[in-house]
Amino acid sequence: GDSVTQMEGPVTLSEEAFLTINCTYTATGYPSLFWYVQYPGEGLQLLLKATKADDKGSNKGFEATYRKETTSFHLEKGSVQVSDSAVYFCALTSDYKLSFGAGTTVTVRA
Amino acid sequence: DAGVIQSPRHEVTEMGQEVTLRCKPISGHNSLFWYRQTMMRGLELLIYFNNNVPIDDSGMPEDRFSAKMPNASFSTLKIQPSEPRDSAVYFCASSPERTKETQYFGPGTRLLVL
Repeated sequence: GDSVTQMEGPVTLSEEAFLTINCTYTATGYPSLFWYVQYPGEGLQLLLKATKADDKGSNKGFEATYRKETTSFHLEKGSVQVSDSAVYFCALTSDYKLSFGAGTTVTVRA
Repeated sequence: DAGVIQSPRHEVTEMGQEVTLRCKPISGHNSLFWYRQTMMRGLELLIYFNNNVPIDDSGMPEDRFSAKMPNASFSTLKIQPSEPRDSAVYFCASSPERTKETQYFGPGTRLLVL
């Protein structure tokens, strides 16, 4: 079945540092890929998505490229801020069911 | 648009009591999902409705859990009787179409069963 493996956390960074969170997936067919973000005490918010190979999703300075050859969807941001501190989830869907990674906790220090 | 609305935001109850969680999906969305989030198990899909009909309830833990969607704008998740191991954050999500679509999550209900 479909599954997502993402980098274990927690990740602690200084402000303005470069962030990358690795995500790889296993799926039949051609899934849509997502990154969701969860701030403390809140629900999951869509950060970005990509629906086909080589698509790049981007939002709020974050980017991720759908790589079918390496079955990956790594999240990157060039310069993080304290406000980026959150839990990040990689997810995919081939039909209606979202398969989530375990989540990566990111803490950005001032 | 208002987004997915859930109530209550927090619920504290005693073991054995009935708990009802409520969800209003985004208007026009015809798919609705209930999830449970715990530290140990992460995010788990409990049940999925499409056009108010339950399509997949394979994630519902046991008979103590039940979910209904009487119309396109309202769904409930009921736990009866509740147990301490049901303590978790319960999320409702909706999406506009059935397949491969973005799911939009509500703020969640944080449930504590004593």
